[in-house]
Amino acid sequence: GENVEQHPSTLSVQEGDSAVIKCTYSDSASNYFPWYKQELGKRPQLIIDIRSNVGEKKDQRIAVTLNKTAKHFSLHITETQPEDSAVYFCAASLEDTGFQKLVFGTGTRLLVSP
Amino acid sequence: DAGVTQSPTHLIKTRGQQVTLRCSPKSGHDTVSWYQQALGQGPQFIFQYYEEEERQRGNFPDRFSGHQFPNYSSELNVNALLLGDSALYLCASSIRNGQGLFGPGTRLTVT
Repeated sequence: GENVEQHPSTLSVQEGDSAVIKCTYSDSASNYFPWYKQELGKRPQLIIDIRSNVGEKKDQRIAVTLNKTAKHFSLHITETQPEDSAVYFCAASLEDTGFQKLVFGTGTRLLVSP
Repeated sequence: DAGVTQSPTHLIKTRGQQVTLRCSPKSGHDTVSWYQQALGQGPQFIFQYYEEEERQRGNFPDRFSGHQFPNYSSELNVNALLLGDSALYLCASSIRNGQGLFGPGTRLTVT
């Protein structure tokens, strides 16, 4: 089955710096890659996603890149703000079955210091 | 629209007991997935229900079972609770093959 690895486990940056979180997946058939932000005690919230027919997607300060050949994808956050502090999870899924089963990475705790 | 709701919010059970968790999907959603999130870990897929049938299952033992009702709400049942079942249980609803929307979760503590 699918396995998703995520690095780093913790990331500390200064406000205004950029942050990059990387994930690799094992199943070359996976074709949907969402990123979730989870604040302490709250539910995971989808912040951006990408499908395998696209190499990059951007939404304001966040962007995701996908390298299908290497089977890795990354989350980029620019101009970080203290409110970006949270745990971020990457996930992978195969959509073609009609039912989405997400396999999550182990998470990255991002701390943005003022 | 209240989005995805789950009950109860918190639950404390003793080893060996049985527990039932409930999920009401967002209006218009017909598919419900359940995930287990242990402390400090990513969510792990338990199973998914569509049209009142289990459609996909993750690597969880038969102690974990579920049900979906005609109104699309769902229950997760866990029998013979173990200490290791302590976790946040998340429900996600969607339309078929759509992006899931997570509920707030039920925090289960097994003592």
